[in-house]
Amino acid sequence: AQKVTQAQTEISVVEKEDVTLDCVYETRDTTYYLFWYKQPPSGELVFLIRRNSFDEQNEISGRYSWNFQKSTSSFNFTITASQVVDSAVYFCALTTNYGGSQGNLIFGKGTKLSVKP
Amino acid sequence: DTGVSQDPRHKITKRGQNVTFRCDPISEHNRLYWYRQTLGQGPEFLTYFQNEAQLEKSRLLSDRFSAERPKGSFSTLEIQRTEQGDSAMYLCASSSPWGSETQYFGPGTRLLVL
Repeated sequence: AQKVTQAQTEISVVEKEDVTLDCVYETRDTTYYLFWYKQPPSGELVFLIRRNSFDEQNEISGRYSWNFQKSTSSFNFTITASQVVDSAVYFCALTTNYGGSQGNLIFGKGTKLSVKP
Repeated sequence: DTGVSQDPRHKITKRGQNVTFRCDPISEHNRLYWYRQTLGQGPEFLTYFQNEAQLEKSRLLSDRFSAERPKGSFSTLEIQRTEQGDSAMYLCASSSPWGSETQYFGPGTRLLVL
């Protein structure tokens, strides 16, 4: 069975602080994809990043960075110098059906990030 | 480039009524997914289409739920005899078959059953 765990339900930081959102996944498949989505109060899920199981390189995009470690089945997300606009619910998701199959996403319960000015 | 659109954005109905939601995917995306999200939870998979074929249904999709994608473009999700437990956000997503498995989501339809 596949599962995604986001142990942090809510995090509150002050603007300009760095914050890391944790994601731990479970799967027996060797080929899988991991995602992070942002859900602002408006409700729309915004795609942030996709990472496949064969690529463990960390990635940086502006203030965002992602740390993928297969040894610990984790895919953590760090926001550097947080801003009020980063306030949202962040979801980690997993799909293991690649290449012609269904590909439905399995989501964690999300982490609500509040950035205070 | 137009994203995924959903209509209506909000729906309030009385228990026992039927409701229908529409999703228009990104053009040229042949895969379309429906998810349901309840308060404080992550989205949960409901069903999946590849072109006009419905290839998978979740056990969450009771016999009161039906989804169609008749021409392989837009899709509809109908709930018959709504119950209060159906109150949720219904999300639609689409993806391209070429290389990327990334699903792009619409703004969702928020359903409230009174």
